[in-house]
Amino acid sequence: AQSVTQPDIHITVSEGASLELRCNYSYGATPYLFWYVQSPGQGLQLLLKYFSGDTLVQGIKGFEAEFKRSQSSFNLRKPSVHWSDAAEYFCAVGLTSGTYKYIFGTGTRLKVLA
Amino acid sequence: DTAVSQTPKYLVTQMGNDKSIKCEQNLGHDTMYWYKQDSKKFLKIMFSYNNKELIINETVPNRFSPKSPDKAHLNLHINSLELGDSAVYFCASSRDGDNSPLHFGNGTRLTVT
Repeated sequence: AQSVTQPDIHITVSEGASLELRCNYSYGATPYLFWYVQSPGQGLQLLLKYFSGDTLVQGIKGFEAEFKRSQSSFNLRKPSVHWSDAAEYFCAVGLTSGTYKYIFGTGTRLKVLA
Repeated sequence: DTAVSQTPKYLVTQMGNDKSIKCEQNLGHDTMYWYKQDSKKFLKIMFSYNNKELIINETVPNRFSPKSPDKAHLNLHINSLELGDSAVYFCASSRDGDNSPLHFGNGTRLTVT
């Protein structure tokens, strides 16, 4: 069955430190991959997406993610975290084109220390 | 502003009542969704409509009934509300095909007392 795993429920980093949020997926075909961010009281906002091509994708707010097929991973990174990055981050997999089905991970809550 | 908007933002009601949540998108998307986010932040698809036709109907009690009067609107009606229905409900939309990214509304926090 298709699934998305975000192993870290909570992560705390200091402002200015680097960040990596992990995402692993289970899916038979090459998936469409997304990272979303949810600030308190808000909906989810797309950070970046991977469909094909270059496995390192750049997103908004200085985020990037790398698709590694051999590890079934799509980890999100940021070289220097800002206090405003504190939020919930969700990895998602889009299934076979045309099904309109997306599976979300359970989220990672990021706390940023001043 | 181009967006997905849903109303109300907060909804507090008693068990047994019937309530509706409205959603509208002005992005010109063909597909709209309802997601439920529980207290642990887990997001689960409930329904999806493409061009006003129901295409995803997950295992959801039949007390929940979506209605799509046109491509830009997808409303959610809930009958006989139960305590376990308390959650945040998100409307979303996407372009047709190729797993285009979802665009989310800001959510409706439903509290059933």
